[in-house]
Amino acid sequence: KAGVTQTPRYLIKTRGQQVTLSCSPISGHRSVSWYQQTPGQGLQFLFEYFSETQRNKGNFPGRFSGRQFSNSRSEMNVSTLELGDSALYLCASSSGRKPNTEAFFGQGTRLTVV
Amino acid sequence: AQSVTQLDSQVPVFEEAPVELRCNYSSSVSVYLFWYVQYPNQGLQLLLKYLSGSTLVESINGFEAEFNKSQTSFHLRKPSVHISDTAEYFCAVGTMLIQGAQKLVFGQGTRLTINP
Repeated sequence: KAGVTQTPRYLIKTRGQQVTLSCSPISGHRSVSWYQQTPGQGLQFLFEYFSETQRNKGNFPGRFSGRQFSNSRSEMNVSTLELGDSALYLCASSSGRKPNTEAFFGQGTRLTVV
Repeated sequence: AQSVTQLDSQVPVFEEAPVELRCNYSSSVSVYLFWYVQYPNQGLQLLLKYLSGSTLVESINGFEAEFNKSQTSFHLRKPSVHISDTAEYFCAVGTMLIQGAQKLVFGQGTRLTINP
């Protein structure tokens, strides 16, 4: 069974640009969550999608958005990039239904904003 | 709101020595508890989890953690560590939101360094 796949693995962008990150969940999983990991703030929850609907959102500005497609693949978009957006972005997939609450993480996309 | 505190940011130990990584949480609702491990330039891998039932949970590579509701703790232990255990360890609290949605709140992580 293939794991969670995130693309690209590494990305360098300039301030003010926008970026789109992709996440393919484990087959059969319908929930995809996104997290931002930085040395200063640690791991922070961005949002979660289930069956193409955003079910929960963290405390991030509106520049951070996401979507989920009918095949459960998800994309995360960050517009007007700032230096502080440099981070490892992790995607996690799960069945999204009780009682199975285990989240499986991808290897992440390392975003560097210069 | 939930929060997680990992009391040690770094733990150095010698190979074959025992180790304990401490984790305390706060929550006003029932929670699920997890330990994840992260190796350099990798994502997070689930080490073990507590959902319900027995308060002592074990992983396949010798780690164990005990859920202590009265002390709101979920400390991770291993009786004898190996060089390969060098990694960053994250404790997380999960709460079931609407219809199975889950939000994980992570601690700041503990960097475990094993010295030969």
